[in-house]
Amino acid sequence: GQSLEQPSEVTAVEGAIVQINCTYQTSGFYGLSWYQQHDGGAPTFLSYNALDGLEETGRFSSFLSRSDSYGYLLLQELQMKDSASYFCAVRGGNTPLVFGKGTRLSVIA
Amino acid sequence: GAVVSQHPSRVICKSGTSVKIECRSLDFQATTMFWYRQFPKQSLMLMATSNEGSKATYEQGVEKDKFLINHASLTLSTLTVTSAHPEDSSFYICSARGGTAQETQYFGPGTRLLVL
Repeated sequence: GQSLEQPSEVTAVEGAIVQINCTYQTSGFYGLSWYQQHDGGAPTFLSYNALDGLEETGRFSSFLSRSDSYGYLLLQELQMKDSASYFCAVRGGNTPLVFGKGTRLSVIA
Repeated sequence: GAVVSQHPSRVICKSGTSVKIECRSLDFQATTMFWYRQFPKQSLMLMATSNEGSKATYEQGVEKDKFLINHASLTLSTLTVTSAHPEDSSFYICSARGGTAQETQYFGPGTRLLVL
């Protein structure tokens, strides 16, 4: 099966940088994904890493180290609207996405 | 990216009634569809996986007779919550994937169910 660990809560100041870590255990590995979910909404796709390294998409970057079974989501130039829950998710082999428990990010002024 | 729709977006029903939720892939053929459930302040928990034309595979602890899943076509899957009770109140989210396991899962907007 798959299991993921990520911090439950993070608080950061507007304009700052925050990193949300995720470690995972999985049999078979197709990639690590990150999703953002605002209260009351459905998860929206942010990024996907299948290979080691850093993927950058605007203010958001995601990193993967397959040898360490570790990844992180980096959010730069934080804005109040970035306050949300962030989930890492893995797919191991021909299985559906399994989500971590989520990290609730609070951006404060 | 691909679009997945769900209907209804919100439903309120009386205890003991059945509720049907539809999930449609609008611009691709969804060989596999997944149903997730999310309780407040918790993560998305996979309920079941369905492949077009075959029976759904349910996760441990999910009652297949209570949560009926039908995946009759490559663009439509339905989840029916039978004899709903207040504890079934939750956010139900479907997800669809194309033909190969490497393909991205696309998520619907979710259906918020409240059972009174």
